[in-house]
Amino acid sequence: DIVMTQSPDSLAVSLGERATINCKSSQSVFYSSNNRNYLAWYQQKPGQPPKLLIYWASTRESGVPDRFSGSGSGTDFTLTISSLQAEDVAVYYCQQYYSIPYSFGQGTKLEIK
Amino acid sequence: QVQLVQSGPEVKKPGASVKVSCKYSNYTFPSYAITWVRQAPGEGLEWMGWISAYRDNTHYAQKFQGRVTMTTDTSTSTVYMELRSLTSDDTAVYYCATTTMTTPWFDPWGQGTLVTVSS
Repeated sequence: DIVMTQSPDSLAVSLGERATINCKSSQSVFYSSNNRNYLAWYQQKPGQPPKLLIYWASTRESGVPDRFSGSGSGTDFTLTISSLQAEDVAVYYCQQYYSIPYSFGQGTKLEIK
Repeated sequence: QVQLVQSGPEVKKPGASVKVSCKYSNYTFPSYAITWVRQAPGEGLEWMGWISAYRDNTHYAQKFQGRVTMTTDTSTSTVYMELRSLTSDDTAVYYCATTTMTTPWFDPWGQGTLVTVSS
């Protein structure tokens, strides 16, 4: 089974500043046959279901603000919010869909400093 | 746009079973699978399994094998997740979400169903 580990567990960033969340998988989630990383990022606000932000590690879902970006390959990935807005306060999860059982990171709680 | 609407909250006693429904609209189920994810209070997300209408295929996480059953009723556009032998550790919000072979991430999600297991 692939274990997903996020860092940090929580993060406080000032409005307008950059926020960076890391995600590491216990084995590669990169398929060389199609040159894709099987990794997604979700945002979850209190009382709401998760919302898809990024898939294929770096493709932004339609409607997601361009301050959100994903990067990385193989086992190491990053979600970056370039300029934090108040509405970005949430818990963020990475998820691998490379192999069953699909698995999520433990989550990173993002707050305003 | 695909929409998923789940059944309401449930309160169950230890040892009982719960059956949560997820009604889909605006898509053809055979093109999709429905996956189930749960979230205990204050905790992270845990994948439970998925069901595809194609050949009535299911795949359950090892942790839930023998205790969970996912079924479909295409006549009512509804997918069900039944969990048996409940304990307090099963207290959680249960989400359904769609996934496909070409878009294997989870999107969109249902609103969630809170299942509380308490004596």
